[in-house]
Amino acid sequence: DGGITQSPKYLFRKEGQNVTLSCEQNLNHDAMYWYRQDPGQGLRLIYYSQIVNDFQKGDIAEGYSVSREKKESFPLTVTSAQKNPTAFYLCASSMGLDRQGYTFGSGTRLTVV
Amino acid sequence: KNEVEQSPQNLTAQEGEFITINCSYSVGISALHWLQQHPGGGIVSLFMLSSGKKKHGRLIATINIQEKHSSLHITASHPRDSAVYICAALSGGGADGLTFGKGTHLIIQP
Repeated sequence: DGGITQSPKYLFRKEGQNVTLSCEQNLNHDAMYWYRQDPGQGLRLIYYSQIVNDFQKGDIAEGYSVSREKKESFPLTVTSAQKNPTAFYLCASSMGLDRQGYTFGSGTRLTVV
Repeated sequence: KNEVEQSPQNLTAQEGEFITINCSYSVGISALHWLQQHPGGGIVSLFMLSSGKKKHGRLIATINIQEKHSSLHITASHPRDSAVYICAALSGGGADGLTFGKGTHLIIQP
Protein backbone atom coordinates (compact mmCIF):
# COMPACT_ATOMS: atom_id res chain seq x y z
CA ASP A 1 0.00 0.00 0.00
CA GLY A 2 1.14 3.52 -0.73
CA GLY A 3 1.75 5.96 2.05
CA ILE A 4 4.07 8.35 3.83
CA THR A 5 6.89 7.18 6.07
CA GLN A 6 8.32 9.45 8.70
CA SER A 7 11.28 8.30 10.70
CA PRO A 8 12.13 8.08 13.46
CA LYS A 9 8.97 8.31 15.57
CA TYR A 10 10.90 9.83 18.48
CA LEU A 11 14.11 11.84 18.20
CA PHE A 12 16.32 13.37 20.87
CA ARG A 13 19.05 15.91 20.20
CA LYS A 14 21.28 18.19 22.19
CA GLU A 15 20.74 21.90 22.02
CA GLY A 16 22.77 23.58 19.29
CA GLN A 17 22.82 20.58 16.96
CA ASN A 18 21.13 20.50 13.60
CA VAL A 19 18.79 17.56 13.07
CA THR A 20 17.14 16.24 9.91
CA LEU A 21 13.70 14.63 9.90
CA SER A 22 12.92 12.18 7.15
CA CYS A 23 9.75 12.08 5.04
CA GLU A 24 9.32 9.59 2.18
CA GLN A 25 6.20 8.92 0.08
CA ASN A 26 5.47 6.29 -2.53
CA LEU A 27 2.19 7.80 -3.70
CA ASN A 28 3.67 9.58 -6.71
CA HIS A 29 2.43 12.84 -5.23
CA ASP A 30 3.88 16.09 -6.57
CA ALA A 31 3.25 18.22 -3.48
CA MET A 32 4.66 17.70 0.01
CA TYR A 33 4.28 19.66 3.23
CA TRP A 34 5.81 19.98 6.70
CA TYR A 35 3.81 21.04 9.76
CA ARG A 36 4.68 21.73 13.36
CA GLN A 37 2.41 21.11 16.38
CA ASP A 38 2.81 22.77 19.77
CA PRO A 39 0.66 22.00 22.82
CA GLY A 40 -2.72 23.71 22.62
CA GLN A 41 -2.18 24.92 19.07
CA GLY A 42 -3.29 23.75 15.67
CA LEU A 43 -0.74 22.40 13.23
CA ARG A 44 1.12 25.16 11.41
CA LEU A 45 2.78 25.05 8.01
CA ILE A 46 6.59 25.24 7.96
CA TYR A 47 7.51 24.59 4.31
CA TYR A 48 5.86 23.10 1.25
CA SER A 49 6.98 21.91 -2.14
CA GLN A 50 4.75 21.62 -5.19
CA ILE A 51 7.36 20.14 -7.49
CA VAL A 52 10.86 18.68 -7.42
CA ASN A 53 13.65 21.22 -6.89
CA ASP A 54 11.20 23.88 -5.74
CA PHE A 55 9.87 24.74 -2.28
CA GLN A 56 8.23 27.66 -0.52
CA LYS A 57 8.17 29.00 3.01
CA GLY A 58 5.05 28.50 5.05
CA ASP A 59 3.89 30.44 8.08
CA ILE A 60 6.75 29.53 10.46
CA ALA A 61 9.83 28.78 8.30
CA GLU A 62 12.43 30.57 10.41
CA GLY A 63 15.05 28.19 11.78
CA TYR A 64 14.17 25.41 9.32
CA SER A 65 15.45 24.32 5.92
CA VAL A 66 14.24 21.76 3.38
CA SER A 67 15.30 20.16 0.12
CA ARG A 68 13.35 18.41 -2.64
CA GLU A 69 15.88 16.64 -4.81
CA LYS A 70 13.61 13.66 -5.43
CA LYS A 71 9.86 13.46 -5.84
CA GLU A 72 9.61 10.84 -3.11
CA SER A 73 11.59 12.66 -0.43
CA PHE A 74 11.18 15.96 1.44
CA PRO A 75 13.57 16.09 4.43
CA LEU A 76 13.28 18.84 7.01
CA THR A 77 16.33 20.17 8.85
CA VAL A 78 15.79 21.83 12.20
CA THR A 79 18.74 24.15 12.56
CA SER A 80 20.34 25.56 15.69
CA ALA A 81 18.71 28.88 14.78
CA GLN A 82 15.28 27.48 15.68
CA LYS A 83 14.65 28.86 19.16
CA ASN A 84 12.10 26.28 20.32
CA PRO A 85 12.69 23.11 18.31
CA THR A 86 10.98 20.70 20.69
CA ALA A 87 7.66 19.86 19.01
CA PHE A 88 5.72 17.29 17.01
CA TYR A 89 6.45 17.41 13.26
CA LEU A 90 4.04 16.11 10.64
CA CYS A 91 4.68 15.50 6.95
CA ALA A 92 1.91 15.32 4.35
CA SER A 93 1.55 15.05 0.59
CA SER A 94 -1.05 15.62 -2.12
CA MET A 95 -1.32 14.95 -5.82
CA GLY A 96 -0.76 18.51 -6.87
CA LEU A 97 -2.07 22.04 -6.85
CA ASP A 98 -5.64 20.80 -6.57
CA ARG A 99 -4.58 19.04 -3.33
CA GLN A 100 -6.40 15.84 -4.23
CA GLY A 101 -5.53 12.76 -2.21
CA TYR A 102 -4.16 14.65 0.79
CA THR A 103 -2.27 12.05 2.87
CA PHE A 104 -0.64 12.41 6.28
CA GLY A 105 2.42 10.76 7.79
CA SER A 106 2.38 9.57 11.39
CA GLY A 107 4.76 12.27 12.64
CA THR A 108 8.05 12.63 14.49
CA ARG A 109 8.30 13.90 18.05
CA LEU A 110 11.52 15.87 18.47
CA THR A 111 12.90 16.66 21.91
CA VAL A 112 15.90 18.94 22.26
CA VAL A 113 17.67 18.81 25.62
CA LYS B 1 -8.19 32.40 5.55
CA ASN B 2 -10.46 29.67 6.82
CA GLU B 3 -11.22 29.67 10.53
CA VAL B 4 -11.73 26.21 12.01
CA GLU B 5 -13.27 25.80 15.44
CA GLN B 6 -13.57 22.55 17.34
CA SER B 7 -15.76 21.86 20.33
CA PRO B 8 -15.46 20.84 23.00
CA GLN B 9 -11.77 21.42 23.67
CA ASN B 10 -11.78 18.77 26.37
CA LEU B 11 -14.21 15.93 26.96
CA THR B 12 -14.23 13.28 29.68
CA ALA B 13 -16.82 10.51 29.48
CA GLN B 14 -17.52 7.08 30.86
CA GLU B 15 -16.91 3.90 28.93
CA GLY B 16 -19.87 3.04 26.72
CA GLU B 17 -21.09 6.60 26.22
CA PHE B 18 -21.90 8.05 22.80
CA ILE B 19 -19.38 10.77 21.96
CA THR B 20 -19.79 13.73 19.61
CA ILE B 21 -17.01 16.10 18.58
CA ASN B 22 -17.85 19.12 16.45
CA CYS B 23 -15.94 21.06 13.83
CA SER B 24 -17.09 24.31 12.23
CA TYR B 25 -15.36 26.26 9.49
CA SER B 26 -15.89 29.71 8.03
CA VAL B 27 -15.43 29.35 4.26
CA GLY B 28 -16.42 26.77 1.70
CA ILE B 29 -14.24 23.71 1.51
CA SER B 30 -13.57 20.84 -0.89
CA ALA B 31 -12.94 18.27 1.85
CA LEU B 32 -12.58 17.82 5.57
CA HIS B 33 -10.23 15.44 7.35
CA TRP B 34 -10.54 13.89 10.79
CA LEU B 35 -7.30 12.80 12.45
CA GLN B 36 -6.58 10.91 15.67
CA GLN B 37 -3.50 11.45 17.83
CA HIS B 38 -2.82 9.21 20.82
CA PRO B 39 -0.85 10.59 23.79
CA GLY B 40 2.80 10.70 22.85
CA GLY B 41 1.96 9.02 19.59
CA GLY B 42 1.62 9.76 15.95
CA ILE B 43 -1.21 10.87 13.71
CA VAL B 44 -3.72 8.44 12.23
CA SER B 45 -6.02 9.59 9.46
CA LEU B 46 -9.60 8.53 10.25
CA PHE B 47 -11.78 10.04 7.52
CA MET B 48 -11.77 12.35 4.54
CA LEU B 49 -15.22 13.74 3.75
CA SER B 50 -16.55 15.95 1.02
CA SER B 51 -20.24 15.24 1.61
CA GLY B 52 -22.63 13.08 3.58
CA LYS B 53 -21.49 10.48 6.03
CA LYS B 54 -18.80 7.84 6.46
CA LYS B 55 -18.57 4.97 8.94
CA HIS B 56 -15.67 2.84 10.06
CA GLY B 57 -16.29 0.48 12.93
CA ARG B 58 -17.57 2.51 15.88
CA LEU B 59 -16.60 5.81 14.29
CA ILE B 60 -18.99 7.88 12.20
CA ALA B 61 -18.20 11.19 10.51
CA THR B 62 -20.78 13.51 9.00
CA ILE B 63 -20.55 16.78 7.15
CA ASN B 64 -23.13 19.45 6.30
CA ILE B 65 -21.69 21.60 3.55
CA GLN B 66 -24.45 24.24 3.74
CA GLU B 67 -24.01 24.72 7.48
CA LYS B 68 -20.18 24.47 7.27
CA HIS B 69 -20.13 21.89 10.02
CA SER B 70 -18.82 18.39 10.58
CA SER B 71 -19.20 15.97 13.46
CA LEU B 72 -17.27 12.92 14.57
CA HIS B 73 -19.23 10.38 16.59
CA ILE B 74 -17.94 7.45 18.60
CA THR B 75 -20.42 4.77 19.60
CA ALA B 76 -19.87 2.49 22.61
CA SER B 77 -16.78 4.45 23.61
CA HIS B 78 -13.82 2.60 25.09
CA PRO B 79 -10.74 3.78 27.04
CA ARG B 80 -8.59 3.05 23.97
CA ASP B 81 -10.52 5.83 22.19
CA SER B 82 -8.79 8.32 24.48
CA ALA B 83 -6.85 10.62 22.18
CA VAL B 84 -6.80 14.06 20.63
CA TYR B 85 -9.12 14.35 17.63
CA ILE B 86 -8.24 16.98 15.04
CA CYS B 87 -10.28 18.24 12.10
CA ALA B 88 -8.62 19.85 9.10
CA ALA B 89 -10.53 21.78 6.45
CA LEU B 90 -9.24 21.79 2.88
CA SER B 91 -10.10 24.87 0.84
CA GLY B 92 -8.52 26.91 -1.90
CA GLY B 93 -6.91 29.44 0.38
CA GLY B 94 -3.41 29.57 1.81
CA ALA B 95 -0.22 27.91 0.66
CA ASP B 96 -1.43 24.40 1.37
CA GLY B 97 -5.16 25.10 1.54
CA LEU B 98 -5.41 23.22 4.83
CA THR B 99 -6.52 24.75 8.12
CA PHE B 100 -6.37 22.66 11.27
CA GLY B 101 -8.53 22.89 14.36
CA LYS B 102 -6.77 22.93 17.72
CA GLY B 103 -8.06 19.50 18.60
CA THR B 104 -10.44 17.92 21.09
CA HIS B 105 -8.81 16.05 23.96
CA LEU B 106 -11.01 13.03 24.73
CA ILE B 107 -10.63 10.87 27.84
CA ILE B 108 -12.78 7.78 28.26
CA GLN B 109 -12.80 6.47 31.81
CA PRO B 110 -13.40 2.77 32.51
